[in-house]
Amino acid sequence: EPEVTQTPSHQVTQMGQEVILRCVPISNHLYFYWYRQILGQKVEFLVSFYNNEISEKSEIFDDQFSVERPDGSNFTLKIRSTKLEDSAMYFCASNPMGGNQPQHFGDGTRLSIL
Amino acid sequence: KNEVEQSPQNLTAQEGEFITINCSYSVGISALHWLQQHPGGGIVSLFMLSSGKKKHGRLIATINIQEKHSSLHITASHPRDSAVYICAVESGFRTSYGKLTFGQGTILTVHP
Repeated sequence: EPEVTQTPSHQVTQMGQEVILRCVPISNHLYFYWYRQILGQKVEFLVSFYNNEISEKSEIFDDQFSVERPDGSNFTLKIRSTKLEDSAMYFCASNPMGGNQPQHFGDGTRLSIL
Repeated sequence: KNEVEQSPQNLTAQEGEFITINCSYSVGISALHWLQQHPGGGIVSLFMLSSGKKKHGRLIATINIQEKHSSLHITASHPRDSAVYICAVESGFRTSYGKLTFGQGTILTVHP
């Protein structure tokens, strides 16, 4: 069965550095999502992406965050200047048609900011 | 903003027991998702439903739209069912694009 893959599985970065988290969604899916889960807390929505543009974003997704689909297969989340509070598990998800459909999640990238 | 509450937060069961996890939400939705999060962190979609009941193997999910409530049942529980079970809802707005709002999760431990 096709899977959403995320790399790396664990990223350790110094505060203030830029990080790029990578995701390869399932190939025929058109909607892509990033979520994050701070340790011990709920999963939170960050952003949804369709047709090469952001469909919706949360209050968390400020100017430090950006997403793009640079080559038609990868879907990336960039954090420009990381803060300690960005430490979390970041999940990518995709589905074929957006709303009211199951989402397929990757295994997550654990981001640790030192 | 939709508030999603799950109960119980922690649940311990003996192998073979029937398990129920509850989810309630505050605002009308277009769909409700039940997800399973493994100890390693990965998330798997179990069900998506907007009305009635769905069954897959030993898992059953029900939703009552009027009462804004859903339940996830596990029959004949097994230690491999031990995981975090998460309820998530989608807004009823047309422009939602699939944004999920999550509950805090229920930690299930099934002992042999």
